[in-house]
Amino acid sequence: AQSVTQLGSHVSVSEGALVLLRCNYSSSVPPYLFWYVQYPNQGLQLLLKYTSAATLVKGINGFEAEFKKSETSFHLTKPSAHMSDAAEYFCAVSPWGGGATNKLIFGTGTLLAVQP
Amino acid sequence: DAMVIQNPRYQVTQFGKPVTLSCSQTLNHNVMYWYQQKSSQAPKLLFHYYDKDFNNEADTPDNFQSRRPNTSFCFLDIRSPGLGDAAMYLCATSRGAGPNEKLFFGSGTQLSVL
Repeated sequence: AQSVTQLGSHVSVSEGALVLLRCNYSSSVPPYLFWYVQYPNQGLQLLLKYTSAATLVKGINGFEAEFKKSETSFHLTKPSAHMSDAAEYFCAVSPWGGGATNKLIFGTGTLLAVQP
Repeated sequence: DAMVIQNPRYQVTQFGKPVTLSCSQTLNHNVMYWYQQKSSQAPKLLFHYYDKDFNNEADTPDNFQSRRPNTSFCFLDIRSPGLGDAAMYLCATSRGAGPNEKLFFGSGTQLSVL
């Protein structure tokens, strides 16, 4: 069975500091991996996704994530945090290698706070 | 220009009183999903429609049902809500059903059960 684990339910950084949100996955087949962000009172929106084309994936708002098979990780980073990055971030895995319906399995989320 | 719209934003119901949550989309997407997100937990897929084909997750309680009368609308019916059903309910859509499809989410309906 596929799953994702997000380490740290709350992360706090200073404005301008590096953002690192951790995600480890478990999958018996090559996974599709996603990061979604949820701003207060809004729905989840896709930040970026890994679909095996490139291990370093760039997303919106300056975020990127690197797929590391040896570490079963897909950590999300941003070089310099902005106040507007404060939100909840969800890592997710799509459990099928291809062909079947997309059924995202989400992690429990990491709430990012950005201090001025 | 909201694309996936959920109403209402907050819903309060009584224990055992049927309740319906609604979702509409302007994207003309084929697939619509309902997720349940309890406090501090991951969103959990309840079921989804691919066009008119309904797909229930194996562990979704019988108390939860869904209707999709047309492409644009999808409803979540909870026949007899219990206290444990209090959660945020998220509707999402995707154009196709492939494993790397992008999902578009609504803002959710926060359900309280008194």
